[in-house]
Amino acid sequence: DAGVIQSPRHEVTEMGQEVTLRCKPISGHNSLFWYRQTMMRGLELLIYFNNNVPIDDSGMPEDRFSAKMPNASFSTLKIQPSEPRDSAVYFCASSFSTFGNQPQHFGDGTRLSIL
Amino acid sequence: DQQVKQNSPSLSVQEGRISILNCDYTNSMFDYFLWYKKYPAEGPTFLISISSIKDKNEDGRFTVFLNKSAKHLSLHIVPSQPGDSAVYFCAASGKNNFNKFYFGSGTKLNVKP
Repeated sequence: DAGVIQSPRHEVTEMGQEVTLRCKPISGHNSLFWYRQTMMRGLELLIYFNNNVPIDDSGMPEDRFSAKMPNASFSTLKIQPSEPRDSAVYFCASSFSTFGNQPQHFGDGTRLSIL
Repeated sequence: DQQVKQNSPSLSVQEGRISILNCDYTNSMFDYFLWYKKYPAEGPTFLISISSIKDKNEDGRFTVFLNKSAKHLSLHIVPSQPGDSAVYFCAASGKNNFNKFYFGSGTKLNVKP
C-alpha cells in the first residue's frame, strides 16, 4: 500500500525563486492537508482540501503561498517569491473524512532551505 | 491561540520504566484525540486514538487516558524501549470539520538504555 508521497524530499534554492512542492495522497482519501513544521511553531496547518475543494486557507502565512488540488490524486503548494524565513519542513497528509474522524496519514515531508 | 498544548518539550526515561506524556486542550467541542510519533527525517505516524465517549484506550504497550473535565490527555508507554525515542505529538479534532486536527508542539522522548 503506497502511503502519501511527497516530492522533492529536499529543496535548496535562492531567495526570490519560485518553489513548488508536490503531494500524492493515498488513493481513496478525500481530505488533504498541508502543514509546515518549524522549531518555533511546531506543526502549523496551512490549508486543507475536501473533495479537491479548498476548505480553509487561513493558515497560509502570506499571499506568496498558494495551493491547488486539480484532482483527487495530486496537490501542489507553491511559494513565489521564496524568502529565507520560509525554510522549514513541509508535510502533506491525507485522510478519509466522510464517516467521522479518522487518523491523517503523513508523507515524509519536503525539507526546504531558502538561501 | 493554541488550542492543544504540550507543556513539556522533552522527557528522559530509563529503559523499562514508564513514560508519561501529557497534553492539555482548551476547546470543549473536541471529541477525538490522537497521538502521533515522529522520527527524524520522517513524517508523523499515527500511534493511538481515543474518542470522547471513552476515558481509556489501550494498544499493547501504549495507553491513552482522557480526562474530559480537566481537558487533559496523557499517553503512557510501558515498558519504555530505546526505539520509542522520538517526538510525540498530540492532536484533537471536533465534529463536522472535515477531519481537521489541532496539533500540540510535541514532546521529545529519550529512552536511555
